[in-house]
Amino acid sequence: DQQVKQNSPSLSVQEGRISILNCDYTNSMFDYFLWYKKYPAEGPTFLISISSIKDKNEDGRFTVFLNKSAKHLSLHIVPSQPGDSAVYFCAASAKGGSEKLVFGKGTKLTVNP
Amino acid sequence: DAGVIQSPRHEVTEMGQEVTLRCKPISGHNSLFWYRQTMMRGLELLIYFNNNVPIDDSGMPEDRFSAKMPNASFSTLKIQPSEPRDSAVYFCASSLAYGVTNYGYTFGSGTRLTVV
Repeated sequence: DQQVKQNSPSLSVQEGRISILNCDYTNSMFDYFLWYKKYPAEGPTFLISISSIKDKNEDGRFTVFLNKSAKHLSLHIVPSQPGDSAVYFCAASAKGGSEKLVFGKGTKLTVNP
Repeated sequence: DAGVIQSPRHEVTEMGQEVTLRCKPISGHNSLFWYRQTMMRGLELLIYFNNNVPIDDSGMPEDRFSAKMPNASFSTLKIQPSEPRDSAVYFCASSLAYGVTNYGYTFGSGTRLTVV
């Protein structure tokens, strides 16, 4: 039973355009969400997070949106750069983030020059 | 800080052999996590420790898998006997709090295990 779902295994965009990565969750107890970025042969690294008390969090080119009623979050990257090409994992946690992280399967983003 | 250090980076072993993966967490971190990444299942949490004590091992696939954390600076994940379906990338991660911080967990570079 997958509690965090990333239904698009891959996404390809042109440099300079917007990348939108989506994530759905089923557990209503989740109240803290994170995005991780992973390059080949490296471990995942933290990118951005959002608490359920917010519906948007922005950090430079990266913005995460949270729609609690739909149990959906998305990561927007504007503008996309070739260096953003990586696998992006969505993760969720309960109890304000104190519970263990549950990850999605990841979406491979390719940004074409 | 050197980050979370895992060894070996790559391991190729024959079916039936014992495999031991090692992890050194970031100094001062009190929680340690072992994850397995496969194409089919993504990142799965196998087990996590808090202050060297196993808290949740519900993700350990079967009795062939065991994990230990004898002290705050070292952990092992052992598979005995290994099987081809154990082939995956195994990640270790550590964090400062019992749960996540705003920056989540810090992951090591992983061990790519191939069982032939």
